[in-house]
Amino acid sequence: GAVVSQHPSRVICKSGTSVKIECRSLDFQATTMFWYRQFPKQSLMLMATSNEGSKATYEQGVEKDKFLINHASLTLSTLTVTSAHPEDSSFYICSASRATGWGETQYFGPGTRLLVL
Amino acid sequence: KQEVTQIPAALSVPEGENLVLNCSFTDSAIYNLQWFRQDPGKGLTSLLLIQSSQREQTSGRLNASLDKSSGRSTLYIAASQPGDSATYLCAVRGTGNQFYFGTGTSLTVIP
Repeated sequence: GAVVSQHPSRVICKSGTSVKIECRSLDFQATTMFWYRQFPKQSLMLMATSNEGSKATYEQGVEKDKFLINHASLTLSTLTVTSAHPEDSSFYICSASRATGWGETQYFGPGTRLLVL
Repeated sequence: KQEVTQIPAALSVPEGENLVLNCSFTDSAIYNLQWFRQDPGKGLTSLLLIQSSQREQTSGRLNASLDKSSGRSTLYIAASQPGDSATYLCAVRGTGNQFYFGTGTSLTVIP
C-alpha cells in the first residue's frame, strides 16, 4: 500500500524559532499534498493545499507568511512554521494524493507533534 | 464551505454491543467519504472509503453507509471490543480534492 512519512515525529522548540516538517510519499508520486492541523481534543483542520511546482493555496485564516509550504518535488512537501509561538503547538498531519482506479485517493502521514515553549 | 458534524461526541458501551456512529455534512456535492480511526496522540488509520456513487462499504465488523442526498453517513460497528476504543473521524472529500473532517466521536468500549 501507499506510504506517507513525516519527519520529525515530534519536535520541541523555543518560542521565536522556525521549525520545518517534511512530508514524503515513499512509493508513489503525489499530485497534491495537503497540510492539516489538529489542536487537542479537536478535529483536523485543513491548512493548505500544495501542488508540485506551484504556490500553495491556503485556507481562510491561515497565515501564508507564517506557515511556509514548499512542494519541491512530486514526493516531498515541507511545512515551515516561522517564528513559532506557544499557540502554534499542535499536531500537524500531511496527506498525499495518488491517482488510483477510483480517481484520487489520499494517504495520510503519521503526524508531527510540535511543542513550542 | 462544507461543514461536517458527528454525533455523538462521546460514546461508552459495554463489550459485545453493536453501535452506530453518525456523520452529517452540509454540501452533498462530494467526491467520497472516508471513516478514520485515531488513537490518542497518533495519526489516522483509514477504515472505510465510500465513493459518492456507492451506498455502503463493509470491512470485517465495520459497515459504513452513505446517503449523499440527505448528507448523512453512518458507521456501524458490530460486536464491539475494547480494542475498538479510539476516536472515529468522518471526512468528506470535496470536488476540489481536499478533505473536511468531522468533529469526531470518542468511543470507549468497557470490558
